[in-house]
Amino acid sequence: KAGVTQTPRYLIKTRGQQVTLSCSPISGHRSVSWYQQTPGQGLQFLFEYFSETQRNKGNFPGRFSGRQFSNSRSEMNVSTLELGDSALYLCASSLAKKGSSYEQYFGPGTRLTVT
Amino acid sequence: DAKTTQPPSMDCAEGRAANLPCNHSTISGNEYVYWYRQIHSQGPQYIIHGLKNNETNEMASLIITEDRKSSTLILPHATLRDTAVYYCIVRVPTRSNFGNEKLTFGTGTRLTIIP
Repeated sequence: KAGVTQTPRYLIKTRGQQVTLSCSPISGHRSVSWYQQTPGQGLQFLFEYFSETQRNKGNFPGRFSGRQFSNSRSEMNVSTLELGDSALYLCASSLAKKGSSYEQYFGPGTRLTVT
Repeated sequence: DAKTTQPPSMDCAEGRAANLPCNHSTISGNEYVYWYRQIHSQGPQYIIHGLKNNETNEMASLIITEDRKSSTLILPHATLRDTAVYYCIVRVPTRSNFGNEKLTFGTGTRLTIIP
């Protein structure tokens, strides 16, 4: 079974631009979560989508948004990029079904550099 | 989710058992202990989880104290490929069919396997 895929793997943007990152979960998984990882703040939860609805949201400004499509694929968007948005963005998928084994599977991440 | 405390770093000789401790003194009765690891620049990888009984899988063993206030992840025969940051997370697993898969990562333990 194919793992979680994220595109692109690397991205360089300039301040003020916007960016869209994509995540394809494992087939059959219904929940997609996004995390930001920086050296200073570590791994921080951004938001989770389940059945095309945002179920959970972390403590990030409104410039960070996301969506999920009917096939469970998800995108996250960051508008008006700031230097501090430079980070590894990770996507994780899980079955999210009562009685399932509860683990989440992470993709390789998208490395975003803002200059 | 309950807070966890882990040593910032540990070394272990290759071939020996690596024992990684985690303190979760405020864990509540319905919270599970999960372990993930992150090899440099990759997405976190699920290792194991448990509630109160000791658990073992092909990757590791999880020993949870009787009062559930601490646990130890054991890698029985550490290899160089086990060098990673190990995260102990305490959370309530999915109980419904509606998502809520948020993981709260701490700073973890940086395990270095010495040849």
